[in-house]
Amino acid sequence: AQTVTQSQPEMSVQEAETVTLSCTYDTSESDYYLFWYKQPPSRQMILVIRQEAYKQQNATENRFSVNFQKAAKSFSLKISDSQLGDAAMYFCAYRSADNDMRFGAGTRLTVKP
Amino acid sequence: KAGVTQTPRYLIKTRGQQVTLSCSPISGHRSVSWYQQTPGQGLQFLFEYFSETQRNKGNFPGRFSGRQFSNSRSEMNVSTLELGDSALYLCASSLSTIHEQYFGPGTRLTVT
Repeated sequence: AQTVTQSQPEMSVQEAETVTLSCTYDTSESDYYLFWYKQPPSRQMILVIRQEAYKQQNATENRFSVNFQKAAKSFSLKISDSQLGDAAMYFCAYRSADNDMRFGAGTRLTVKP
Repeated sequence: KAGVTQTPRYLIKTRGQQVTLSCSPISGHRSVSWYQQTPGQGLQFLFEYFSETQRNKGNFPGRFSGRQFSNSRSEMNVSTLELGDSALYLCASSLSTIHEQYFGPGTRLTVT
């Protein structure tokens, strides 16, 4: 079974600084999708970024980028120029080609002014 | 485009009762998934529907069931409620089973 591990339960970053959230996953599949979701306190879960396993190029969305290392089964999220609104719970997620969806336990990010 | 909507947003039930939660996906999305979120267990996958067919099911007892209608709206039902069923139930929709999911605000169920 595929598992997703987020080894950092909590992280903090100073406003305007850069932070990297870690995620590793275990799979025997070659075709799959990886996602980072953000869940602000008492608010809706929203998609931050998506990466297809067949793409070598790392995905980027404005201040958010990933470092996808397929061989190492690692999928970290880098947030540049952190803002107060980035404070949230971040979930790494894996979706297999046969639709199995798994989430990590989450990393709570605090942004200090 | 309207987002994923879930009703009701909050619900209080007593042990032994049953409950039905509703989810309306984003227009055009045919896949709907349900998750249970608790502080202790995190996000756990319940089931996924695509074109009225259950495509995948998580490791939950048979008290948890769901269905999807021809307009892609979905319902999930929990029978014989237990205290441990208290959770935030999230619905997510996607264009298909391989696309990213968009989440609703959730239904917070409290079982007393």
